Amino acid sequence: EAGVAQSPRYKIIEKRQSVAFWCNPISGHATLYWYQQILGQGPKLLIQFQNNGVVDDSQLPKDRFSAERLKGVDSTLKIQPAKLEDSAVYLCASSLDRGSEKLFFGSGTQLSVL
Amino acid sequence: AQTVTQSQPEMSVQEAETVTLSCTYDTSESDYYLFWYKQPPSRQMILVIRQEAYKQQNATENRFSVNFQKAAKSFSLKISDSQLGDAAMYFCAYRPNTNAGKSTFGDGTTLTVKP
Repeated sequence: EAGVAQSPRYKIIEKRQSVAFWCNPISGHATLYWYQQILGQGPKLLIQFQNNGVVDDSQLPKDRFSAERLKGVDSTLKIQPAKLEDSAVYLCASSLDRGSEKLFFGSGTQLSVL
Repeated sequence: AQTVTQSQPEMSVQEAETVTLSCTYDTSESDYYLFWYKQPPSRQMILVIRQEAYKQQNATENRFSVNFQKAAKSFSLKISDSQLGDAAMYFCAYRPNTNAGKSTFGDGTTLTVKP
């Protein structure tokens, strides 16, 4: 079974630039999550999708972060403009449904903002 | 809001020995799940073990077992016969059993296994 795919694996940008991350969840998984993991901390939920609709984006800094999940499959997370404090690993996860307790994670994108 | 606390930023264990990682959580919910995830340098979070709050019996997965104390809101992970491949960051996580429940993670414990 293919896992959750993410790209790119690493990204280095300067502050005020924009960046986008891509996630392809496990086939058939209706729920998709984006987490931000700052060095030395646990992952924190940014946004949760159920199919192509947003379930929870209460922790998403909407002035600079945006995310979409067109057609209820792949998802893109964008930061524009980036700040130094956005340096982190961005993890994508999926689950069969939002009632499912088991999450499957991708390997993340490590973002460095200089 | 739910919080998860891992009070041990770093732990070390000798190969083949046993180590216990601590986790406490705070919630007003009565129905929830608790998890331990392993994150190696590859960054992919791997589920190690899970516990349903309504089950009194502690979960066990091969060399991994938990000590779940619901009243004390404590959920520790015991790794027996530690192996070099167990070296990683370990995260404790909480998830309420609601239709849109979201997981809350602790800040992790770095486990070093000494040969």
